[in-house]
Amino acid sequence: DIQLTQSPSFLSASVGDRVTITCRASQGISSYLAWYQQKPGKAPNLLIYAASTLQTGVPSRFSGSGSETEFTLTISSLQPEDFATYYCQQLNSYPHFGQGTRLESK
Amino acid sequence: EVQLVESGGNLVQPGGSLRLSCVASGFTFSNYNMNWVRQAPEKGLDWLSSVSYSGTTIYYADSAKGRFTISRDNAKNSVYLQMNSLRAEDTAVYYCARSERFNIRGQIYYSMDVWGKGTTVTVSS
Repeated sequence: DIQLTQSPSFLSASVGDRVTITCRASQGISSYLAWYQQKPGKAPNLLIYAASTLQTGVPSRFSGSGSETEFTLTISSLQPEDFATYYCQQLNSYPHFGQGTRLESK
Repeated sequence: EVQLVESGGNLVQPGGSLRLSCVASGFTFSNYNMNWVRQAPEKGLDWLSSVSYSGTTIYYADSAKGRFTISRDNAKNSVYLQMNSLRAEDTAVYYCARSERFNIRGQIYYSMDVWGKGTTVTVSS
């Protein structure tokens, strides 16, 4: 199975900060990667698919980049509602998730 | 409104069985692959199983293989997860999720674009 490793696992930031989360795949997965946001007690919400395509309705401060084994999710200017846990997911084979990155307010 | 609603979660003893259901509405269910994903308390997302739109192709994670069975009934707009030989480590919120198919310049990408609110399974004596 393809393993995904997110870094960091925990991140403290302030409103207005630029934030970057990295997801590394154990083998190349082209652009078959998605990013999700999950808030406590809620289901995950799709943010980005195909590594860099913003899902309809997702604010443009979110962006994704990368291919093959290294991917990033960037929030250009953190908003209060962005404090949440973020997961990457590979869809090249069995759709496993990364372990998550918890983004907290500094 | 596009919606998925899970049910069937409960408190069950170790070794017991449960059948989870997920009913879809607001879209043509028979056109979509469907998935089950779980989340143990304070843990990350754990993909369990996927079933194709027709029900003919099924995949399982190692954590589900041999004990869990996914199925669907397109006439009832429903997907199911039969769980047997349950263990304490199966305690989790279980979500069903729709696989959307995106076509980008002729290349097909999938992602899980619609999720239910989840149903809670607790395995304890």
